[in-house]
Amino acid sequence: GQNIDQPTEMTATEGAIVQINCTYQTSGFNGLFWYQQHAGEAPTFLSYNVLDGLEEKGRFSSFLSRSKGYSYLLLKELQMKDSASYLCAVKDSNYQLIWGAGTKLIIKP
Amino acid sequence: GAVVSQHPSWVICKSGTSVKIECRSLDFQATTMFWYRQFPKQSLMLMATSNEGSKATYEQGVEKDKFLINHASLTLSTLTVTSAHPEDSSFYICSAAPGQGHTEAFFGQGTRLTVV
Repeated sequence: GQNIDQPTEMTATEGAIVQINCTYQTSGFNGLFWYQQHAGEAPTFLSYNVLDGLEEKGRFSSFLSRSKGYSYLLLKELQMKDSASYLCAVKDSNYQLIWGAGTKLIIKP
Repeated sequence: GAVVSQHPSWVICKSGTSVKIECRSLDFQATTMFWYRQFPKQSLMLMATSNEGSKATYEQGVEKDKFLINHASLTLSTLTVTSAHPEDSSFYICSAAPGQGHTEAFFGQGTRLTVV
């Protein structure tokens, strides 16, 4: 079966750095996505990786290793507004998005 | 980025009634749209894939007669929850992408359905 694993919850301090890991096992691979979701809202796109390596976008960076089935989302200079759930999703061979359960990130002052 | 509009944002209905949710792609054509359901503290669960001009493809365990999907045009898909019951209360989200291989999917705002 297809499976995406990420930690259920993480806590970090305002101004610090946090890394959210994601491991996946899917039938085929057509890219890995990270989305941010605030409670009661739809997900918003953060990043996309299809090749191995690091993609940097402002305070957020995302890394992919296809051979290891592994990705992480790195958030720097954390702000209180970064408190949200972070969803890892993989497009399988049918271009269908397979979602992880999400990691709830709690930012403390 | 592309815009997907979903309406209504929230709805409260009585048990046994039907509710229709609309999903529109405002600035691109979407031959395929996706309907998700999300229960509190859980992940997005794909319910069905809506295909323009043909029947929707439902995921295992999703009743096609209860969750009616119509994708009549390249910019509009509707989900009708028929004979709603309290257990259908959930957050329903649609998404679409301009092309199968296009990188990101764009989401509607979501619809909070409460059945009383």
